[in-house]
Amino acid sequence: AQSVTQLDSHVSVSEGTPVLLRCNYSSSYSPSLFWYVQHPNKGLQLLLKYTSAATLVKGINGFEAEFKKSETSFHLTKPSAHMSDAAEYFCVVSKMDSSYKLIFGSGTRLLVRP
Amino acid sequence: NAGVTQTPKFRVLKTGQSMTLLCAQDMNHEYMYWYRQDPGMGLRLIHYSVGEGTTAKGEVPDGYNVSRLKKQNFLLGLESAAPSQTSVYFCASSYSILRNYEQYFGPGTRLTVT
Repeated sequence: AQSVTQLDSHVSVSEGTPVLLRCNYSSSYSPSLFWYVQHPNKGLQLLLKYTSAATLVKGINGFEAEFKKSETSFHLTKPSAHMSDAAEYFCVVSKMDSSYKLIFGSGTRLLVRP
Repeated sequence: NAGVTQTPKFRVLKTGQSMTLLCAQDMNHEYMYWYRQDPGMGLRLIHYSVGEGTTAKGEVPDGYNVSRLKKQNFLLGLESAAPSQTSVYFCASSYSILRNYEQYFGPGTRLTVT
């Protein structure tokens, strides 16, 4: 069965410093993995996705994530945080069946200090 | 393209009342989903549909019913609302497997049951 674990419920960084949001996954098969972002009182927006092509995936707004099979990780990074990055981030794995159901992590809230 | 839209945006119900949430998408997607979001729990799948006229149960289906009479619409019903159904509800839709499972989300409906 597929599952995801987000290792931090809250991460706080200063503006201009790097961001690291950690995600570990469990899957019997080569998974499809996603990061979604949710700004306050908004819906979810796809940041990036991994679907067994390149292991380093670039997304929108300068975010990227690296798929590491040996570590079963899919951590999200950004070199320099911006105030507008403050939001909740969800790591998501797709079930490998015909329903294409998504399994969500519990979320990491990113705070960006001026 | 409006994408995925949800009606209403906010609603307050008394215990025992009923209501229907409407989700509409204009992307000709086959798959549609209803989730609920509760603090610290990510998103959990309530029901989903793999095509017009079909529905299936997700993780937390009890107390909800759904219908997909038209491809572009997916309705979520609460027959007798309970305080435990206070939550934010998100609708999503997706393409077939050829699009690698990405889901597109609506802006959410915030429901309070008193």
